[in-house]
Amino acid sequence: AVQLVESGGGLVQPKESLKISCAASGFTFSNAAMYWVRQAPGKGLEWVARIRTKPNNYATYYADSVKGRFTISRDDSKSMVYLQMDNLKTEDTAMYYCTILTRWGQGVMVTVSS
Amino acid sequence: NTVMTQSPTSMFISVGDRVTMNCKASQNVGTNVDWYQQKTGQSPKLLIYGASNRYTGVPDRFTGSGSGTDFTLTISNMQAEDLAVYYCLQYNYNWTFGGGTKLELK
Repeated sequence: AVQLVESGGGLVQPKESLKISCAASGFTFSNAAMYWVRQAPGKGLEWVARIRTKPNNYATYYADSVKGRFTISRDDSKSMVYLQMDNLKTEDTAMYYCTILTRWGQGVMVTVSS
Repeated sequence: NTVMTQSPTSMFISVGDRVTMNCKASQNVGTNVDWYQQKTGQSPKLLIYGASNRYTGVPDRFTGSGSGTDFTLTISNMQAEDLAVYYCLQYNYNWTFGGGTKLELK
């Protein structure tokens, strides 16, 4: 069965950095585009980032709200996808989901507060 | 950026009702629209892809339709287990979610 397990969330102060991870299993990871989607407390879903596969040169795409601050990456040898988040803002506080759109992880909470 | 506007934002329904919710795109997105269901405390689940294709295991009371800028998700014979927030997602121009439609019991 497809599994996506996020980790690395926590409480950080504004302007700090945090890297969250997602371990994937149950499908051919190297063939799948990977996404991060977030959901602020009590709010709707917001697409954050996407990374394509090796044949597509690992092309990356970002929401305007995180462009220049967040970096998505992947390690096909480990079936892992990452989101490096720099210069965090209070408005980045959210549950972050790793997803292939047909399946979603349980999410990891990131709280940005002083 | 393509904006997806969902309506209504909430609906009070009864078991057995036929429920229709809408999603309007700010520009033509073809049929590049998915619908997701999110129950309280859970991750979203894919219901419909490509505007009208039911995902594996999704009950046939869920139907998606539309193309271009106007999309509809219909639940025929609403069940208590269908109480959730429903989101549309366009993936024609990057990826944008609608604001959601929350279904609540009367």
